[in-house]
Amino acid sequence: KQEVTQIPAALSVPEGENLVLNCSFTDSAIYNLQWFRQDPGKGLTSLLLIQSSQREQTSGRLNASLDKSSGRSTLYIAASQPGDSATYLCASSGGTSYGKLTFGQGTILTVHP
Amino acid sequence: NAGVTQTPKFQVLKTGQSMTLQCAQDMNHNSMYWYRQDPGMGLRLIYYSASEGTTDKGEVPNGYNVSRLNKREFSLRLESAAPSQTSVYFCASSESWTGRTFGSGTRLTVV
Repeated sequence: KQEVTQIPAALSVPEGENLVLNCSFTDSAIYNLQWFRQDPGKGLTSLLLIQSSQREQTSGRLNASLDKSSGRSTLYIAASQPGDSATYLCASSGGTSYGKLTFGQGTILTVHP
Repeated sequence: NAGVTQTPKFQVLKTGQSMTLQCAQDMNHNSMYWYRQDPGMGLRLIYYSASEGTTDKGEVPNGYNVSRLNKREFSLRLESAAPSQTSVYFCASSESWTGRTFGSGTRLTVV
């Protein structure tokens, strides 16, 4: 059974700081790994998708990496802004494109001015 | 805007009442899903439809039924609502190269 763990559970940083969110998974037989952002009371917004054959993906100030052999993914946020404050979730998709998506519990990020 | 649309956004039901949550996507995705999100439990899969004409149970299917009406629409039905079904429900869709796209959610309270 796939288990996804996110560390830290909460993070508070000053504006402008670079930061890394960590995600680990127990079963390396994943189809892809996806990072989401969720604002309070809102739905999930997809940030980055990394296919199992890829090592990293970048979008603006965000960079996500994937190391299947070690069962780890990281989300790097450069030059953080107060608007980045949200819960960040990673999720691994097992086996197929429609396979079970296993979510971590999330990291609550607060960026203060 | 393209995406996943869920209706209603909010609903209050009495125990024993029934209702259907509607979901539609306009991205021509083959696969669709229903999740529930509860504090401390994260997101859990209720049912999914890998392609039009197929549906399968997820982690927590008891008390729910689904219908994949066509490629665009995937509905979730609560036949006899219970307080334990108070939750936020999310619909999602995907293709192999896209990952999951989620709707904005339905907040359901059963009293």
